[in-house]
Amino acid sequence: ETGVTQTPRHLVMGMTNKKSLKCEQHLGHNAMYWYKQSAKKPLELMFVYNFKEQTENNSVPSRFSPECPNSSHLFLHLHTLQPEDSALYLCASSQDRTSGSNEQFFGPGTRLTVL
Amino acid sequence: GENVEQHPSTLSVQEGDSAVIKCTYSDSASNYFPWYKQELGKRPQLIIDIRSNVGEKKDQRIAVTLNKTAKHFSLHITETQPEDSAVYFCAASKSNTGKLIFGQGTTLQVKP
Repeated sequence: ETGVTQTPRHLVMGMTNKKSLKCEQHLGHNAMYWYKQSAKKPLELMFVYNFKEQTENNSVPSRFSPECPNSSHLFLHLHTLQPEDSALYLCASSQDRTSGSNEQFFGPGTRLTVL
Repeated sequence: GENVEQHPSTLSVQEGDSAVIKCTYSDSASNYFPWYKQELGKRPQLIIDIRSNVGEKKDQRIAVTLNKTAKHFSLHITETQPEDSAVYFCAASKSNTGKLIFGQGTTLQVKP
Protein backbone atom coordinates (compact mmCIF):
# COMPACT_ATOMS: atom_id res chain seq x y z
CA GLU A 1 0.00 0.00 0.00
CA THR A 2 1.08 3.53 -0.64
CA GLY A 3 -0.09 6.83 0.74
CA VAL A 4 -1.17 6.31 4.32
CA THR A 5 -0.48 3.02 6.08
CA GLN A 6 -1.61 1.80 9.47
CA THR A 7 -0.50 -1.07 11.68
CA PRO A 8 -1.78 -3.30 13.01
CA ARG A 9 -4.88 -3.77 10.88
CA HIS A 10 -6.62 -5.72 13.63
CA LEU A 11 -6.06 -5.63 17.38
CA VAL A 12 -7.75 -7.44 20.24
CA MET A 13 -6.82 -6.31 23.72
CA GLY A 14 -7.96 -6.66 27.29
CA MET A 15 -8.95 -3.69 29.38
CA THR A 16 -5.69 -3.74 31.34
CA ASN A 17 -3.40 -3.99 28.31
CA LYS A 18 -1.24 -1.27 26.83
CA LYS A 19 -0.95 -1.16 23.06
CA SER A 20 -0.07 1.34 20.36
CA LEU A 21 -1.46 2.05 16.91
CA LYS A 22 0.91 3.31 14.25
CA CYS A 23 0.27 5.47 11.22
CA GLU A 24 2.74 6.46 8.53
CA GLN A 25 2.21 8.71 5.54
CA HIS A 26 4.36 8.79 2.43
CA LEU A 27 2.75 11.85 0.85
CA GLY A 28 4.98 14.62 2.21
CA HIS A 29 2.09 16.01 4.23
CA ASN A 30 2.43 18.06 7.39
CA ALA A 31 -0.91 17.46 9.08
CA MET A 32 -2.08 14.16 10.54
CA TYR A 33 -5.32 13.13 12.18
CA TRP A 34 -6.85 10.35 14.27
CA TYR A 35 -10.51 9.48 13.82
CA LYS A 36 -12.77 6.95 15.54
CA GLN A 37 -15.42 5.21 13.46
CA SER A 38 -18.05 3.29 15.39
CA ALA A 39 -20.99 1.44 13.92
CA LYS A 40 -23.84 3.77 12.92
CA LYS A 41 -21.98 6.88 14.03
CA PRO A 42 -20.24 9.59 12.05
CA LEU A 43 -16.49 9.72 11.84
CA GLU A 44 -15.36 11.36 15.08
CA LEU A 45 -12.25 13.50 14.98
CA MET A 46 -9.97 12.75 17.93
CA PHE A 47 -6.71 14.59 17.41
CA VAL A 48 -5.08 16.91 14.88
CA TYR A 49 -1.35 17.45 14.50
CA ASN A 50 0.12 20.15 12.29
CA PHE A 51 3.90 20.23 11.81
CA LYS A 52 4.22 17.81 14.77
CA GLU A 53 2.27 20.09 17.10
CA GLN A 54 -1.09 19.02 18.49
CA THR A 55 -3.67 21.59 17.45
CA GLU A 56 -6.87 19.77 18.35
CA ASN A 57 -7.94 17.42 21.11
CA ASN A 58 -11.63 16.76 20.68
CA SER A 59 -12.33 16.02 24.36
CA VAL A 60 -10.74 12.60 24.06
CA PRO A 61 -10.34 10.58 27.30
CA SER A 62 -6.80 10.39 28.63
CA ARG A 63 -6.70 6.63 28.09
CA PHE A 64 -5.94 7.61 24.46
CA SER A 65 -2.55 9.29 24.17
CA PRO A 66 -1.29 10.49 20.78
CA GLU A 67 2.31 10.99 19.78
CA CYS A 68 3.70 12.62 16.66
CA PRO A 69 7.50 12.34 16.53
CA ASN A 70 7.69 13.78 13.01
CA SER A 71 5.38 14.80 10.19
CA SER A 72 5.37 11.31 8.70
CA HIS A 73 4.48 9.28 11.77
CA LEU A 74 1.60 9.33 14.20
CA PHE A 75 0.94 6.98 17.09
CA LEU A 76 -2.03 6.38 19.33
CA HIS A 77 -1.11 4.84 22.65
CA LEU A 78 -3.90 2.90 24.34
CA HIS A 79 -4.14 2.16 28.05
CA THR A 80 -6.95 0.85 30.24
CA LEU A 81 -9.54 0.93 27.48
CA GLN A 82 -13.21 0.12 27.84
CA PRO A 83 -15.31 -2.22 25.67
CA GLU A 84 -17.09 0.82 24.22
CA ASP A 85 -13.76 1.92 22.77
CA SER A 86 -14.01 -0.93 20.28
CA ALA A 87 -14.14 0.69 16.85
CA LEU A 88 -12.24 1.30 13.63
CA TYR A 89 -9.48 3.84 14.21
CA LEU A 90 -8.58 5.76 11.09
CA CYS A 91 -5.54 7.87 10.51
CA ALA A 92 -5.50 10.59 7.86
CA SER A 93 -3.08 13.16 6.54
CA SER A 94 -3.33 16.38 4.56
CA GLN A 95 -0.90 18.90 3.12
CA ASP A 96 -1.27 21.03 6.23
CA ARG A 97 -4.28 22.18 8.17
CA THR A 98 -4.17 25.75 6.97
CA SER A 99 -3.51 25.28 3.28
CA GLY A 100 -6.14 25.79 0.65
CA SER A 101 -6.25 22.09 -0.08
CA ASN A 102 -7.95 20.40 2.82
CA GLU A 103 -8.21 16.99 1.19
CA GLN A 104 -7.51 14.35 3.77
CA PHE A 105 -6.15 10.98 2.73
CA PHE A 106 -7.16 8.11 4.95
CA GLY A 107 -5.31 4.99 5.97
CA PRO A 108 -7.00 1.56 5.97
CA GLY A 109 -7.71 1.72 9.68
CA THR A 110 -7.09 -0.48 12.69
CA ARG A 111 -10.05 -2.58 13.81
CA LEU A 112 -9.81 -2.54 17.61
CA THR A 113 -11.72 -4.90 19.87
CA VAL A 114 -11.54 -4.39 23.63
CA LEU A 115 -12.56 -7.39 25.67
CA GLY B 1 -21.10 23.35 18.66
CA GLU B 2 -20.28 22.56 15.07
CA ASN B 3 -22.63 20.02 13.57
CA VAL B 4 -23.36 18.42 10.21
CA GLU B 5 -26.66 16.66 9.60
CA GLN B 6 -26.92 14.20 6.72
CA HIS B 7 -30.05 12.65 5.17
CA PRO B 8 -31.18 10.08 4.34
CA SER B 9 -29.35 7.47 6.41
CA THR B 10 -30.14 4.81 3.82
CA LEU B 11 -31.04 5.12 0.16
CA SER B 12 -31.96 2.39 -2.27
CA VAL B 13 -32.26 3.10 -6.01
CA GLN B 14 -32.53 1.11 -9.22
CA GLU B 15 -29.54 1.03 -11.47
CA GLY B 16 -29.68 3.97 -13.84
CA ASP B 17 -31.69 6.16 -11.50
CA SER B 18 -30.34 9.27 -9.77
CA ALA B 19 -29.45 9.51 -6.09
CA VAL B 20 -29.40 12.65 -3.97
CA ILE B 21 -27.91 13.00 -0.51
CA LYS B 22 -28.34 16.18 1.49
CA CYS B 23 -26.35 17.78 4.30
CA THR B 24 -26.81 20.86 6.44
CA TYR B 25 -24.12 22.51 8.54
CA SER B 26 -24.27 24.79 11.54
CA ASP B 27 -21.07 26.85 11.37
CA SER B 28 -21.55 29.69 8.88
CA ALA B 29 -17.76 30.13 8.73
CA SER B 30 -17.37 26.72 7.06
CA ASN B 31 -15.95 27.12 3.59
CA TYR B 32 -14.88 23.67 2.42
CA PHE B 33 -17.27 20.78 1.83
CA PRO B 34 -15.90 17.38 0.77
CA TRP B 35 -17.75 14.17 0.07
CA TYR B 36 -16.18 10.82 0.88
CA LYS B 37 -17.15 7.36 -0.33
CA GLN B 38 -16.42 4.35 1.85
CA GLU B 39 -16.89 0.92 0.37
CA LEU B 40 -17.40 -1.99 2.72
CA GLY B 41 -14.20 -2.78 4.60
CA LYS B 42 -12.26 0.00 2.89
CA ARG B 43 -11.01 3.45 3.75
CA PRO B 44 -12.97 6.63 3.03
CA GLN B 45 -11.92 8.24 -0.24
CA LEU B 46 -12.62 11.74 -1.48
CA ILE B 47 -14.91 11.75 -4.51
CA ILE B 48 -15.66 15.45 -4.90
CA ASP B 49 -15.39 18.67 -2.94
CA ILE B 50 -16.62 22.22 -3.21
CA ARG B 51 -15.48 25.52 -1.77
CA SER B 52 -17.74 28.30 -0.60
CA ASN B 53 -16.96 30.59 -3.53
CA VAL B 54 -18.63 28.13 -5.92
CA GLY B 55 -22.29 27.11 -6.10
CA GLU B 56 -21.96 23.92 -8.10
CA LYS B 57 -19.27 21.51 -9.23
CA LYS B 58 -19.55 18.52 -11.51
CA ASP B 59 -17.30 15.57 -12.25
CA GLN B 60 -18.78 13.13 -14.75
CA ARG B 61 -21.79 11.47 -13.04
CA ILE B 62 -21.22 13.22 -9.73
CA ALA B 63 -22.19 16.79 -8.85
CA VAL B 64 -22.31 18.81 -5.67
CA THR B 65 -24.37 21.93 -5.05
CA LEU B 66 -23.93 24.43 -2.25
CA ASN B 67 -26.40 26.93 -0.84
CA LYS B 68 -24.47 29.10 1.61
CA THR B 69 -27.47 31.12 2.64
CA ALA B 70 -29.38 28.05 3.69
CA LYS B 71 -26.22 26.29 4.89
CA HIS B 72 -26.84 23.14 2.97
CA PHE B 73 -25.10 21.16 0.27
CA SER B 74 -26.05 18.10 -1.72
CA LEU B 75 -24.46 15.25 -3.63
CA HIS B 76 -26.07 14.17 -6.87
CA ILE B 77 -25.19 10.90 -8.58
CA THR B 78 -26.73 10.31 -12.00
CA GLU B 79 -27.02 7.05 -13.93
CA THR B 80 -26.19 5.06 -10.82
CA GLN B 81 -24.32 1.78 -11.14
CA PRO B 82 -23.98 -1.14 -8.71
CA GLU B 83 -20.40 -0.09 -7.97
CA ASP B 84 -21.74 3.17 -6.58
CA SER B 85 -23.08 1.15 -3.63
CA ALA B 86 -21.22 2.36 -0.54
CA VAL B 87 -21.50 4.65 2.46
CA TYR B 88 -21.21 8.33 1.56
CA PHE B 89 -20.10 10.94 4.10
CA CYS B 90 -20.39 14.68 3.76
CA ALA B 91 -18.19 16.99 5.81
CA ALA B 92 -17.69 20.67 6.50
CA SER B 93 -14.55 22.52 7.44
CA LYS B 94 -13.01 25.92 7.87
CA SER B 95 -9.87 26.09 5.79
CA ASN B 96 -7.64 27.39 8.57
CA THR B 97 -8.36 24.55 10.99
CA GLY B 98 -8.08 21.31 9.03
CA LYS B 99 -10.92 20.07 11.21
CA LEU B 100 -13.51 18.12 9.23
CA ILE B 101 -16.92 17.67 10.83
CA PHE B 102 -18.58 14.66 9.26
CA GLY B 103 -22.22 13.84 8.73
CA GLN B 104 -23.65 10.54 9.91
CA GLY B 105 -23.27 8.84 6.56
CA THR B 106 -25.70 7.54 3.94
CA THR B 107 -25.71 3.90 2.90
CA LEU B 108 -26.49 3.85 -0.81
CA GLN B 109 -27.62 0.62 -2.40
CA VAL B 110 -27.91 0.45 -6.18
CA LYS B 111 -29.97 -2.53 -7.28
CA PRO B 112 -29.09 -4.09 -10.64
